[in-house]
Amino acid sequence: GAVVSQHPSWVICKSGTSVKIECRSLDFQATTMFWYRQFPKQSLMLMATSNEGSKATYEQGVEKDKFLINHASLTLSTLTVTSAHPEDSSFYICSASVIYTQYFGPGTRLTVL
Amino acid sequence: AQKITQTQPGMFVQEKEAVTLDCTYDTSDQSYGLFWYKQPSSGEMIFLIYQGSYDEQNATEGRYSLNFQKARKSANLVISASQLGDSAMYFCAMRERFSGGSNYKLTFGKGTLLTVNP
Repeated sequence: GAVVSQHPSWVICKSGTSVKIECRSLDFQATTMFWYRQFPKQSLMLMATSNEGSKATYEQGVEKDKFLINHASLTLSTLTVTSAHPEDSSFYICSASVIYTQYFGPGTRLTVL
Repeated sequence: AQKITQTQPGMFVQEKEAVTLDCTYDTSDQSYGLFWYKQPSSGEMIFLIYQGSYDEQNATEGRYSLNFQKARKSANLVISASQLGDSAMYFCAMRERFSGGSNYKLTFGKGTLLTVNP
């Protein structure tokens, strides 16, 4: 149980375009989902917390207008990287919480050319 | 201030031996939780074990056990009988409450890269 999927697993895009990443909880409902970013050889950094039906809560330093988060249902949250630039290239991971434990998706590797 | 400290950037262990990965934490909350996750080279984060601050017994999950010393604020992960497939990055994390809210978030340490030698 507690399986989280992400799509796509990797994406390459041109600078200036937007990319949408989906995060789904497959066998449970998640009122709260989290989005993390991980640069090579570094730890996970929380970007935002997404609650179903309400606005996301962003961590300090994360641009709300650049990283758009939507949590439209109890099983789906999306992260859209708008006007992507090479510095946005990173590994993006979502998680969904069951009680107090977070279960993670497999991650999406974004490369912006 | 760093809330989760993992002092071992890398560790080596021989196959079939036990290894301890260190983790210390800092919090003023009475209620908190500590987690260990494994991240293989594929990137997925795999939940290993959880210890609640009020749990009196150390958590165990198969070959994984958590050596919880509350007074010392440490939550070390012990892997027994290491296997080649245990080679991965290991992250210690603490559940803490959002300031002013009722939601919780995880704060991660910098990780320890474990290499199991045959």
